[in-house]
Amino acid sequence: DAGVTQSPTHLIKTRGQHVTLRCSPISGHKSVSWYQQVLGQGPQFIFQYYEKEERGRGNFPDRFSARQFPNYSSELNVNALLLGDSALYLCASSLIRVTYEQYFGPGTRLTVT
Amino acid sequence: SQQGEEDPQALSIQEGENATMNCSYKTSINNLQWYRQNSGRGLVHLILIRSNEREKHSGRLRVTLDTSKKSSSLLITASRAADTASYFCATDGETSGSRLTFGEGTQLTVNP
Repeated sequence: DAGVTQSPTHLIKTRGQHVTLRCSPISGHKSVSWYQQVLGQGPQFIFQYYEKEERGRGNFPDRFSARQFPNYSSELNVNALLLGDSALYLCASSLIRVTYEQYFGPGTRLTVT
Repeated sequence: SQQGEEDPQALSIQEGENATMNCSYKTSINNLQWYRQNSGRGLVHLILIRSNEREKHSGRLRVTLDTSKKSSSLLITASRAADTASYFCATDGETSGSRLTFGEGTQLTVNP
């Protein structure tokens, strides 16, 4: 079975631009979470979606938004990019909404110049 | 802000030696997990320990949890060069649901 997939792998954007990151969970997994990992730090929770509804949101500005589709894939959108948004964006899927083990994708490396 | 702190920040050992990493957290938890990350890539789940457990083993991994001290340790026995990676602890709590709160990580280097 395929694991969590994310696209693109790498992305370079300019300040002020908009970016969309994509994630496909493991087949059968209905919950998707997004994390931001700045270089040298641990991941920070951004969003969780379950059954296409937002179930949790971390301490991130409104420039960050996400959605989950009927096939449980998800998009993370970031508007008005700042240099500080440069990070590895990780997607994790899990079988049910409140479950313990999350499976992470390889991440999307976003560089904002 | 990060829930936990890993100690040490960096650890360098020789192949065959044991590696011990520690994690402290601040609030009550339901579970504590350890993840490995190779060179800024995705996280790999290693082991989960529930708040009512004190010790857990998986292969060469041993995890302990002391909820009174709000701390955990990860022991990797007979380390290999392939164990070189960053190791993170992550907690989920009663009020945070499945949201994971990660520590800053320990960078382990195993020299052949």
